Formats: sequence, C-alpha cells, structure tokens
Amino acid sequence: GAVVSQHPSWVICKSGTSVKIECRSLDFQATTMFWYRQFPKQSLMLMATSNEGSKATYEQGVEKDKFLINHASLTLSTLTVTSAHPEDSSFYICSARDSGDRGLGANVLTFGAGSRLTVL
Amino acid sequence: DAKTTQPPSMDCAEGRAANLPCNHSTISGNEYVYWYRQIHSQGPQYIIHGLKNNETNEMASLIITEDRKSSTLILPHATLRDTAVYYCIVRGSGSARQLTFGSGTQLTVLP
Repeated sequence: GAVVSQHPSWVICKSGTSVKIECRSLDFQATTMFWYRQFPKQSLMLMATSNEGSKATYEQGVEKDKFLINHASLTLSTLTVTSAHPEDSSFYICSARDSGDRGLGANVLTFGAGSRLTVL
Repeated sequence: DAKTTQPPSMDCAEGRAANLPCNHSTISGNEYVYWYRQIHSQGPQYIIHGLKNNETNEMASLIITEDRKSSTLILPHATLRDTAVYYCIVRGSGSARQLTFGSGTQLTVLP
C-alpha cells in the first residue's frame, strides 16, 4: 500500500532557529499533501495544503511566513518552521493522496508517522 | 463536510468485539464515512470507508444504518495493539480535500 515517510521523527532545537521537516510519498505521486499539527491531548488541526508546483494554501490563523511549505516535486513536500519558539513545540504530521488513484480509494489519505518538534 | 459525534472513550476486553459508534445525522447523499485511528505518538492510520453498504476488510467492519445517519466500526477481536483514538470522518468524494478530524473515541483494550 501507499507509504508516506516523514523525517526527522523527532527534533530538538533552540529558540530562534529554523527546522525543516520532510514528507515523502515513497511509492506514489502526490500533487497535494496536507500538513497537520497536533498539540498534546488534542486532535489534529490542518495547517496548510501543499500543492506541487504552486503556493501552499494556509488555514486561517497559520502564519505563512513562519511555516514555509515547499512542494517542488510530486513526491516531496517540506515544512520549515522559521525562528522557532517554545510555543511551536508540537507533533507535525503530513498526509498525501495518490494522484493516480481514480477508484473509490481516491480519497483515502495516507499519513506519515509524524515529527515531534521540541523548542527549548 | 457533515459533523460527527463520537463518545470520548470506551473500554473493551481483549479478544472481544469492539463496537465504536458514530453519529452523522447531517450527512448528505454523496458523502462517505471514513474511519481512521491514531495510536499514541503515531500518524493516523486508515481503517475503512463506506457510502451506504456495509463494508468489511482485514482490519474491521463498517455498519452504516439505512438512513445513513449513524455508523458503527467493529473490530471483531480486539487486541491490546488496537488501543488508540478512533476518528469517524464524513467527507464528500471526488476531490483531493483534507480530512477534518474531530475529537474521536479513545478505545482502551483491557487485558
């Protein structure tokens, strides 16, 4: 089945530094990927929709200049948390849909294992 | 996308069937019911989805009522590894749109 790989799985950084998280679709192409954020004991909240070859679409309240998204190929999207602060500490999860799937499975999203960011 | 209502938590004995309910009374005709689960500190995992017929796969069964206003996810023989938060999501098909997660049901399988 479809596999989405995220890297790193966890990262600790100092306040003020930038952190990049990669999301790769390993065995399928994805024109669209989604980035979610999850705080402890809360549900997943959509941050942005990443579109291959074009600008990402951000949800209300998500700063696009702080959370930079790049989707330069059909198998890779990156999320960069710029000038990270302790309040950015969270679990970041990406998901993707197989662009070539035209059946009923066309709307099944595959999720990565997540990346836990801790900002000191 | 239609709103869903799930109980916040449920317990189930290991080896018994786990029946997780979901209400989606405002579901429209072209909206599917999707079930995902999230084991602690992992990304969500797809389980099953359906439109109006009951569905079964190697992981679970999905029973959708005739009026489609509610559904039940059945794990036939729950194991300790099935302990997770289970999300019921209703969404239309035909486009690559995101999934909107509610609070889900924390299922705890007890030994």
